Amino acid sequence: DVKVTQSSRYLVKRTGEKVFLECVQDMDHENMFWYRQDPGLGLRLIYFSYDVKMKEKGDIPEGYSVSREKKERFSLILESASTNQTSMYLCASSDPGQVDGYTFGSGTRLTVV
Amino acid sequence: EDQVTQSPEALRLQEGESSSLNCSYTVSGLRGLFWYRQDPGKGPEFLFTLYSAGEEKEKERLKATLTKKESFLHITAPKPEDSATYLCAVRRNSGNTPLVFGKGTRLSVIA
Repeated sequence: DVKVTQSSRYLVKRTGEKVFLECVQDMDHENMFWYRQDPGLGLRLIYFSYDVKMKEKGDIPEGYSVSREKKERFSLILESASTNQTSMYLCASSDPGQVDGYTFGSGTRLTVV
Repeated sequence: EDQVTQSPEALRLQEGESSSLNCSYTVSGLRGLFWYRQDPGKGPEFLFTLYSAGEEKEKERLKATLTKKESFLHITAPKPEDSATYLCAVRRNSGNTPLVFGKGTRLSVIA
């Protein structure tokens, strides 16, 4: 089974901190994605990557950046955390054809205080 | 613009009471429609992929169907363990574009 592992299940950070969310997948997938999920708003795409060192903005990239130095790892960076970034963050990966859709990680519940 | 609308937002069923969830979509050339199940505090889990109108897939008490404009997730004789949020997503037939997700239907099955 493909595994997508997110480094933390729960995080509490202070406003203004730089926050790193890590995601690792073990099936050699080219595509990786970061979403946030909020009640009533569903899944919203932040950034995605189709290859190492490549990145594309999703629907809500403001306040975020990403890094993909290795194929298996895709990091989401909150440059200066704010309370409106309190959310569930989900990482996903897929093969190029996306035949089976995405495989998601378990999520990181981030609270910014 | 590609769009996915799921209804109802929430559904409460008695155990054994069959029903259907709806996913309506607008996409420029459908390359796949995906159903996921998401339990509280966890990531979505893949259930089905449907590719063309008329296609059906089944898994235990769940059956997914597809037409040219919508998909249904039929739940037959549900049990409390079927309680979850069900998400629908589409992929359009052009390039390696991200999936477009609906907001989900939150299903509660009461014993």
